[in-house]
Amino acid sequence: AQRVTQPEKLLSVFKGAPVELKCNYSYSGSPELFWYVQYSRQRLQLLLRHISRESIKGFTADLNKGETSFHLKKPFAQEEDSAMYYCAPPYNNNDMRFGAGTRLTVKP
Amino acid sequence: GAVVSQHPSWVICKSGTSVKIECRSLDFQATTMFWYRQFPKQSLMLMATSNEGSKATYEQGVEKDKFLINHASLTLSTLTVTSAHPEDSSFYICSAPLAGGREQYFGPGTRLTVT
Repeated sequence: AQRVTQPEKLLSVFKGAPVELKCNYSYSGSPELFWYVQYSRQRLQLLLRHISRESIKGFTADLNKGETSFHLKKPFAQEEDSAMYYCAPPYNNNDMRFGAGTRLTVKP
Repeated sequence: GAVVSQHPSWVICKSGTSVKIECRSLDFQATTMFWYRQFPKQSLMLMATSNEGSKATYEQGVEKDKFLINHASLTLSTLTVTSAHPEDSSFYICSAPLAGGREQYFGPGTRLTVT
């Protein structure tokens, strides 16, 4: 089974500061990971998929197999980044358990 | 594409009654849908996996007789909260993957308040 853990429930940074949301995984095969975001009063939506190696809204996430991590990073946080962030494995074998989530607050 | 809707968006019911929540994939077929529960400012908690044409798979600690799931078609799954109690008040969210896809698409959620 694929499992992810997010060790930080809450994270608070000031606007313009770098931010890193941690995600660690345990996998039996090749890892494939996603970051989802839930802004206030909006539905959960996909933010990043590691396969595409893309940058969305200034966020990037690199898969580190040595550390079994998939941390989400942004060099300069903005107030509109305040949201709940979830690390998640792919849909596979009817298993879809998200990480516990990290609530990011970006203070002005 | 890949839109998931939920109905109703909010519902208030009296204690002891049952309430049904619908989850629909509007522009794709979903053989599997997931039901989550979310308390205010808390994480998503997976409740069950809804499978079209077969029984749902419930997570440990989730009462299957209380939270009835029916995946009636390839575009519709329903969650019925039976004999609702105030502690069932929560935000219920469904999601579905695209066929062959690896990511999830989420409904907007349904807020249930049991009085």
